[in-house]
Amino acid sequence: GAGVSQTPSNKVTEKGKYVELRCDPISGHTALYWYRQSLGQGPEFLIYFQGTGAADDSGLPNDRFFAVRPEGSVSTLKIQRTERGDSAVYLCASSPKGLTGELFFGEGSRLTVL
Amino acid sequence: AQSVTQLDSQVPVFEEAPVELRCNYSSSVSVYLFWYVQYPNQGLQLLLKYLSGSTLVKSINGFEAEFNKSQTSFHLRKPSVHISDTAEYFCAVSPFNDYKLSFGAGTTVTVRA
Repeated sequence: GAGVSQTPSNKVTEKGKYVELRCDPISGHTALYWYRQSLGQGPEFLIYFQGTGAADDSGLPNDRFFAVRPEGSVSTLKIQRTERGDSAVYLCASSPKGLTGELFFGEGSRLTVL
Repeated sequence: AQSVTQLDSQVPVFEEAPVELRCNYSSSVSVYLFWYVQYPNQGLQLLLKYLSGSTLVKSINGFEAEFNKSQTSFHLRKPSVHISDTAEYFCAVSPFNDYKLSFGAGTTVTVRA
């Protein structure tokens, strides 16, 4: 379809491993966001891209988290040395422009760290 | 910084009954307001928004929300719900001309026949 696509939909890993989560936004959307949703909570902002550059990464919890968007389309969220507290649903969203809060979300990648 | 409080985590309701989901926010600056909905096994999608103008905003499927600046609220209502309205509803805010949404914890609405 034409929506935001996230892979994998589910990822189970062991503590200390490296994980990559991929987001393919809606074609033509210049703004891309990553949010994290823990059980029983609303989504929390992680990082925002406008084009290829990370315009705001203030929500990344620590330096184990990193995200890239090298060609201004697909983005990858990378988590090093995973911890059990990283377990959550990671949501990607895109929008045609970044200033109105009208985001189009993917279904999320559920990460479980054992 | 902004914060959003959704006062009810679970709202059970019978089909064709009215429903109200409460949302209060705090912010030191003016904000845009949103309701997002997540149907089972689907991603979040925008239900309705308040950016400016009339404080009463409506969705295409019968929901409405009213922005009350003095009470810093943006409650969501529907006069008659359907089984298909079963979902989780999130209230969210963002500062004017900003991109960062702050979400509430969500309200799960379960509609029973």
